[in-house]
Amino acid sequence: KQEVTQIPAALSVPEGENLVLNCSFTDSAIYNLQWFRQDPGKGLTSLLLIQSSQREQTSGRLNASLDKSSGRSTLYIAASQPGDSATYLCAVVGLTGYALNFGKGTSLLVTP
Amino acid sequence: DVKVTQSSRYLVKRTGEKVFLECVQDMDHENMFWYRQDPGLGLRLIYFSYDVKMKEKGDIPEGYSVSREKKERFSLILESASTNQTSMYLCATGYQPQHFGDGTRLSIL
Repeated sequence: KQEVTQIPAALSVPEGENLVLNCSFTDSAIYNLQWFRQDPGKGLTSLLLIQSSQREQTSGRLNASLDKSSGRSTLYIAASQPGDSATYLCAVVGLTGYALNFGKGTSLLVTP
Repeated sequence: DVKVTQSSRYLVKRTGEKVFLECVQDMDHENMFWYRQDPGLGLRLIYFSYDVKMKEKGDIPEGYSVSREKKERFSLILESASTNQTSMYLCATGYQPQHFGDGTRLSIL
């Protein structure tokens, strides 16, 4: 069964820092990988989707990379802001399924 | 923008009650999903549907059923609510990417 791990579980950084969130998965036979943001008490907002054939995707200050062979993805956040404070979740879709397998998330706090 | 609407943000029910959670999407997506989210356990798939009247069990279907009579609506049913079903329930739709509703925080007393 696919297992998705996110490290660190929590992170606190001062405003303006560049930071990297890590995601690893045990089965490299994936269809795609998706990064989400979740604010407290709310649903999930899709940030970036990377197809298995792609190496990275960018949206504004966010860049996500995928190394399928090693089972790793990173989410890079440039010039962090207090508004980036949230939980970030990584999830993968396997080749034989529709549903997402989620990591437990990284809780990010950006302090002014 | 995709809109996924869950009928209630907060819900309090009693053990043994039959509970209905509703989800409606406006994008004509074939795939719809129900997840639950618990501290320390993350998000887990309960059921999903890939077409009207079609459904597949996810990782934790016990104690739940679903209904999809129309393409835009996917209902999660707790047949006889128990306290261990107190959780945040999230509906999602689509495939690449999946889009989520705001969630229903359900408390079973």
